[in-house]
Amino acid sequence: EPEVTQTPSHQVTQMGQEVILRCVPISNHLYFYWYRQILGQKVEFLVSFYNNEISEKSEIFDDQFSVERPDGSNFTLKIRSTKLEDSAMYFCASSPRSEAFFGQGTRLTVV
Amino acid sequence: AQSVTQLDSQVPVFEEAPVELRCNYSSSVSVYLFWYVQYPNQGLQLLLKYLSGSTLVKGINGFEAEFNKSQTSFHLRKPSVHISDTAEYFCAVSGNDYKLSFGAGTTVTVRA
Repeated sequence: EPEVTQTPSHQVTQMGQEVILRCVPISNHLYFYWYRQILGQKVEFLVSFYNNEISEKSEIFDDQFSVERPDGSNFTLKIRSTKLEDSAMYFCASSPRSEAFFGQGTRLTVV
Repeated sequence: AQSVTQLDSQVPVFEEAPVELRCNYSSSVSVYLFWYVQYPNQGLQLLLKYLSGSTLVKGINGFEAEFNKSQTSFHLRKPSVHISDTAEYFCAVSGNDYKLSFGAGTTVTVRA
């Protein structure tokens, strides 16, 4: 069964460093998303991506964040200069239309 | 914009007992409704979804939910739980933009 794959599963980075979280969505899906879940809190929408451009972004998704689909298969989330409060589980999701399929997540720890 | 309220933050339940997790939503447009489960240290797995049609939807692992438009609810039920159902359960709603808005989650702890 096809699935969304995220790498790495866990990343520790120093404050101020850049991180790139990678995702391989399910092929033939058209919509791609990033969500995050701060420990003990609910899952929050970050950004949606369709037709090779951002279709919607939340207030959380400020200038420190960017997304790319560099090669037609991978879907990446970059955080330019990490802050302690960026520590969270980041989930990638892809969707053919209405139902989202989630990856296992990347746990980002900023120290 | 859509939003979701999960009315119970924690639900302890004995094995083989029934469980109901309550979810209310608000939206100004037609909605799609979902329940996801998150086992410890794992990702989000879809339990079931309501897109249209029958208001009673059945999902995996014996779960079902009923869409009630007049009460704007989408409560999740299981007639007999197992220890393995111990997890966090999230109700979510989306509109035509397919962006999910999640509730705060309900922690279900099943005891023997």
